[in-house]
Amino acid sequence: QITLKESGPTLVKPTQTLTLTCTFSGFSLSTRGVGVGWIRQPPGKALEWLALIYWSDDERYSPSLRSRLSITKDTSKNQVVLTMTHMNPVDTATYYCAHVSDSTFRSYFDSWGQGTLVTVSP
Amino acid sequence: SYELTQPPSVSVSPGQTATFTCSGDKLGDKFVSWYQQKPGQSPVVVIYQDTERPSEIPERISGSNSGNTATLTISGTQAMDEAVYYCQAWDTSTAVFGGGSRLTVL
Repeated sequence: QITLKESGPTLVKPTQTLTLTCTFSGFSLSTRGVGVGWIRQPPGKALEWLALIYWSDDERYSPSLRSRLSITKDTSKNQVVLTMTHMNPVDTATYYCAHVSDSTFRSYFDSWGQGTLVTVSP
Repeated sequence: SYELTQPPSVSVSPGQTATFTCSGDKLGDKFVSWYQQKPGQSPVVVIYQDTERPSEIPERISGSNSGNTATLTISGTQAMDEAVYYCQAWDTSTAVFGGGSRLTVL
């Protein structure tokens, strides 16, 4: 059974850097094809994909947020870390991490974490 | 950047068929997934690779994709199907989500 859980600060100030950790079980990020992605959702709004890292260390980023994002993995700890710089109140959202089992265009987010709400406020 | 367009809302009576559309340039050339999100919950995949359904998803949920439009169909809609439905596809190795369609069962 695959599980993922997001952790990190619930409140950050504008201009600060956000660091979120996704801790998972039930799979290994050293297995070919596997990846973990981050998706966010502002209150009452749609899902927005942010970034994804594959077993091969291949990193993918949303073009609109690429300059602010960094995604890394620690295979031994079963963790993926997302950092987002220059936080702004518009970045207030629930941040989800999710699993993909295929690195091709056939893939999909088959398991999601519960999400963590991050509020950006002075 | 690539965009997926969904109507904001879909309304049906119980037992009727709910149809959701997702539009994008040459979307039929891509694989589309659909996610159901109920209030306060994380999204759950209901259709992947255009037409495939996870084992736990009922057969009355189906998908198709052709031309510029992907379609999610829920037959015999029930109150428990009320949720927001998002389509998702990949474009140049980046994931794109549609804006979501809220299903109301009248």
